[in-house]
Amino acid sequence: SQKIEQNSEALNIQEGKTATLTCNYTNYSPAYLQWYRQDPGRGPVFLLLIRENEKEKRKERLKVTFDTTLKQSLFHITASQPADSATYLCALVSGNQFYFGTGTSLTVIP
Amino acid sequence: DTEVTQTPKHLVMGMTNKKSLKCEQHMGHRAMYWYKQKAKKPPELMFVYSYEKLSINESVPSRFSPECPNSSLLNLHLHALQPEDSALYLCASSQASGSGIDTQYFGPGTRLTVL
Repeated sequence: SQKIEQNSEALNIQEGKTATLTCNYTNYSPAYLQWYRQDPGRGPVFLLLIRENEKEKRKERLKVTFDTTLKQSLFHITASQPADSATYLCALVSGNQFYFGTGTSLTVIP
Repeated sequence: DTEVTQTPKHLVMGMTNKKSLKCEQHMGHRAMYWYKQKAKKPPELMFVYSYEKLSINESVPSRFSPECPNSSLLNLHLHALQPEDSALYLCASSQASGSGIDTQYFGPGTRLTVL
């Protein structure tokens, strides 16, 4: 069965630094991978999508990489701000089923 | 309108009650989903409706009964729930355009407490 793991449950970084979150998957060959942000008590919000033939995708301070050989995606937030504090989920899609990773809770310390 | 709405926001029910959760979207999306999320865990898929037909039921107990009256509405009927069913219930929708690329839009969720 598919397994999607994200690095450390919790990540604390200083404001202004770059946060790097990891998503590793096994037993799966996704055509694309997505990243979502979830605030406490709210539904996840879509951030970025990267296709298997794309190495890197950027959106403002966000950057996603996708290495299908390593079966890994990295999610970077540059110049982090306290407002970036949230849980970040990666998601793989098969047909119309979305499989979410375990999530990483990011705290940006002022 | 890029919003998925869910009602109620909070629900407290006893184990013998019958209640329903409602979800609505007006984005023309043809796939709708129910997820259950426990604290500090990722969303777990429960049901998927595609073009108003139930396409996926992830071995969910029969005390949860989904219904899709039309392409904009999704209900989750609850009956004889257990305290361990207490969780955040999330509804989502996606275009399901068949292009192979799909993203989900989530509602704010219903916080369910079973006493």
